[in-house]
Amino acid sequence: GAGVSQSPSNKVTEKGKDVELRCDPISGHTALYWYRQSLGQGLEFLIYFQGNSAPDKSGLPSDRFSAERTGGSVSTLTIQRTQQEDSAVYLCASSLDTYEQYFGPGTRLTVT
Amino acid sequence: DAKTTQPTSMDCAEGRAANLPCNHSTISGNEYVYWYRQIHSQGPQYIIHGLKNNETNEMASLIITEDRKSSTLILPHATLRDTAVYYCIVRVASYGQNFVFGPGTRLSVLP
Repeated sequence: GAGVSQSPSNKVTEKGKDVELRCDPISGHTALYWYRQSLGQGLEFLIYFQGNSAPDKSGLPSDRFSAERTGGSVSTLTIQRTQQEDSAVYLCASSLDTYEQYFGPGTRLTVT
Repeated sequence: DAKTTQPTSMDCAEGRAANLPCNHSTISGNEYVYWYRQIHSQGPQYIIHGLKNNETNEMASLIITEDRKSSTLILPHATLRDTAVYYCIVRVASYGQNFVFGPGTRLSVLP
């Protein structure tokens, strides 16, 4: 079946602009995670959605970052007033159970 | 902080077994050992996980020591496409537990 998909695959934006990144999880997966990976670094947890529960936003680096998940499926990560330090690969993962998470290919964000 | 220690890099000849070690001496009784890999410019890919018994699937085998303080991921017949960064992660199996990825081991499979 289809895996996790993310769009766009690449996004170049000017400093100060807002961007939206989209994640389509695997159908039926109730859990959805956002991570980011800066060049040469490990993954940094951002936010977690589980069913209809309130999301765990503990990893969001600032209030410029927000995310929503509509209908328990598609999720959008929004970064307002982008800064150069926001440049990274943003990864989405979904999970059906408590074990493995399945990752999408990521969105490479470059803030100029 | 990642709770695991892995070598920074390893080489393996194509067709030979690749054995990737991981130390997790502070692992708790309810934490599983997971392995993921990340091929250049792709998202992490799940490989295998285990609690205390050895595990095998179509991709790899996972050998966990009896005291659970270390483990080894075995790729039985490495190919050039197995060149990637391999991450060993310990994690409680519960909802909301995000994965904490350390620097991993960069495996280079050589022709």
